[in-house]
Amino acid sequence: GQNIDQPTEMTATEGAIVQINCTYQTSGFNGLFWYQQHAGEAPTFLSYNVLDGLEEKGRFSSFLSRSKGYSYLLLKELQMKDSASYLCAVMDSNYQLIWGAGTKLIIKP
Amino acid sequence: IAGITQAPTSQILAAGRRMTLRCTQDMRHNAMYWYRQDLGLGLRLIHYSNTAGTTGKGEVPDGYSVSRANTDDFPLTLASAVPSQTSVYFCASSEDTYNEQFFGPGTRLTVL
Repeated sequence: GQNIDQPTEMTATEGAIVQINCTYQTSGFNGLFWYQQHAGEAPTFLSYNVLDGLEEKGRFSSFLSRSKGYSYLLLKELQMKDSASYLCAVMDSNYQLIWGAGTKLIIKP
Repeated sequence: IAGITQAPTSQILAAGRRMTLRCTQDMRHNAMYWYRQDLGLGLRLIHYSNTAGTTGKGEVPDGYSVSRANTDDFPLTLASAVPSQTSVYFCASSEDTYNEQFFGPGTRLTVL
């Protein structure tokens, strides 16, 4: 079967760095996406990785290792507004997204 | 309008009633999707459309139907609602099937 695993909840301090991990087993791989979802709102796109390595976009970076079925999202200089759920999704061989349940990130001052 | 809109924002529905959730995008995206989001679960794909005039079944299609008569609109119909269809429903679109998806604001549906 297809499976995406990510921690249910994480807590970090304002100004610090946090890494949210995602492991996956899917039928085929056409890229991995990270989305941010604030409570009561829609998911919004953060990043896309299809090749191994690190993609940096401002305070957010995303890493992929296809051989290990592993990705992480790195958030630097955390701000209170980063409190949200972070969703990992893999595009399978049919170009459909398989979603993890999301990691709720709590930022404390 | 800009992006994707959904209607209604929320709805309480009696079991057995028919309900259509509306979704409209103005980005001329080819692909559109319907997901449901339940607590503790990832987004689950209900139906999708890769281009106007075509539709396909996702992971959880039973009890739902869709149509894609034109590029902009992708309504989702519950023929006879049941309490297990209580959920938050998100419509999304992407330029093509391999691009990032953009989401509408969601419809919160409660079936009693």
